[in-house]
Amino acid sequence: GENVEQHPSTLSVQEGDSAVIKCTYSDSASNYFPWYKQELGKGPQLIIDIRSNVGEKKDQRIAVTLNKTAKHFSLHITETQPEDSAVYFCAASYNFNKFYFGSGTKLNVKP
Amino acid sequence: DTGVSQDPRHKITKRGQNVTFRCDPISEHNRLYWYRQTLGQGPEFLTYFQNEAQLEKSRLLSDRFSAERPKGSFSTLEIQRTEQGDSAMYLCASSQGRSGSYNEQFFGPGTRLTVL
Repeated sequence: GENVEQHPSTLSVQEGDSAVIKCTYSDSASNYFPWYKQELGKGPQLIIDIRSNVGEKKDQRIAVTLNKTAKHFSLHITETQPEDSAVYFCAASYNFNKFYFGSGTKLNVKP
Repeated sequence: DTGVSQDPRHKITKRGQNVTFRCDPISEHNRLYWYRQTLGQGPEFLTYFQNEAQLEKSRLLSDRFSAERPKGSFSTLEIQRTEQGDSAMYLCASSQGRSGSYNEQFFGPGTRLTVL
């Protein structure tokens, strides 16, 4: 089955700096790669996603890149704000069937 | 509120007892997923339904776990003879589940189970 690895497990940045979180996946059949933000006591919330036919996608301060050859994808957050502090998860799926999640990155944005 | 809802939000039970959780997906969402999340980990896939059909079950879903979605709307997850290792957050998510459509998952707030 699919195996998704996520790094780093914790990330601390100064407000205004950029944050990068990286994930690798093992199953070349995976074709959908979402990123979720989870705040304490809440369910994960989709923040951005990318399909395998696209190399990069951007939404305001958030961007995701995908390298299918190397089987890795990354989340980039620019101009970080304290409200970006949360746990972020990457995931991989084939045709929206089973979703495999990474182990999470706790992002702390210091004011 | 038209999001995914889960009930109860918290459940404390004694080892050996049975528990049942309910998930109400977003209206007209055909696909429904169950996940388990332990502290400091990402959600682990348990099972998913397309309408009332259970299409796949994880090996994590032992014989003590059963899920149903009898009319293709709400779903229940039952754990029989609970063990302390079952303590976790149980998350439900739903998506449109239609071929050719955008099948983003929307998660509910989860049910936190504590087995004493």
